[in-house]
Amino acid sequence: DQQVKQNSPSLSVQEGRISILNCDYTNSMFDYFLWYKKYPAEGPTFLISISSIKDKNEDGRFTVFLNKSAKHLSLHIVPSQPGDSAVYFCAARSTTSGTYKYIFGTGTRLKVLA
Amino acid sequence: GAGVSQSPSNKVTEKGKDVELRCDPISGHTALYWYRQSLGQGLEFLIYFQGNSAPDKSGLPSDRFSAERTGGSVSTLTIQRTQQEDSAVYLCASSSDRGLPSYEQYFGPGTRLTVT
Repeated sequence: DQQVKQNSPSLSVQEGRISILNCDYTNSMFDYFLWYKKYPAEGPTFLISISSIKDKNEDGRFTVFLNKSAKHLSLHIVPSQPGDSAVYFCAARSTTSGTYKYIFGTGTRLKVLA
Repeated sequence: GAGVSQSPSNKVTEKGKDVELRCDPISGHTALYWYRQSLGQGLEFLIYFQGNSAPDKSGLPSDRFSAERTGGSVSTLTIQRTQQEDSAVYLCASSSDRGLPSYEQYFGPGTRLTVT
């Protein structure tokens, strides 16, 4: 039972254009959503997050949008750069009795073409 | 550096042998997580330590898997009688205390385990 889904395993975008990575979830009790970027042979690194009470969070070239009614979030990268080429993981956090659990999607491999 | 470190970076073992994977979290981080990533898959949650609370072991795939966290710092993930399906990258992450606003996890580089 995949609670966090990234249905696009890969995405190719031209340099300078917008990259849009999508993520769907099933559990309405998730309270935070996070995006991580992963380069080969490295651990994931935190990119940006959004609280479930917000619908948008922006940090430089990165913006995350949350649509709670659709249980959908997306990461926009504008403008895309070749260095953005990596695997992007969406993660959702659930909080139970003060402890946190993170559920990750399967990742989307982004390739930014120069 | 002050990041999460894991050792070994690579481990090749024969089927049936036991292995131990080590994680050194960021100093002061009270939460520690173990995940694994099999080929072509996402990050699969294994176990979670938070301070002195009992660990959340709900993600461990079988009783061959166990983990300890000594002194609230270093953690060891042990896999007994390894099987080929255990081959994966094992990732450790830590995060700061739940009372603080920071909630993102900091990941180590992972240990690539290959069971032959």
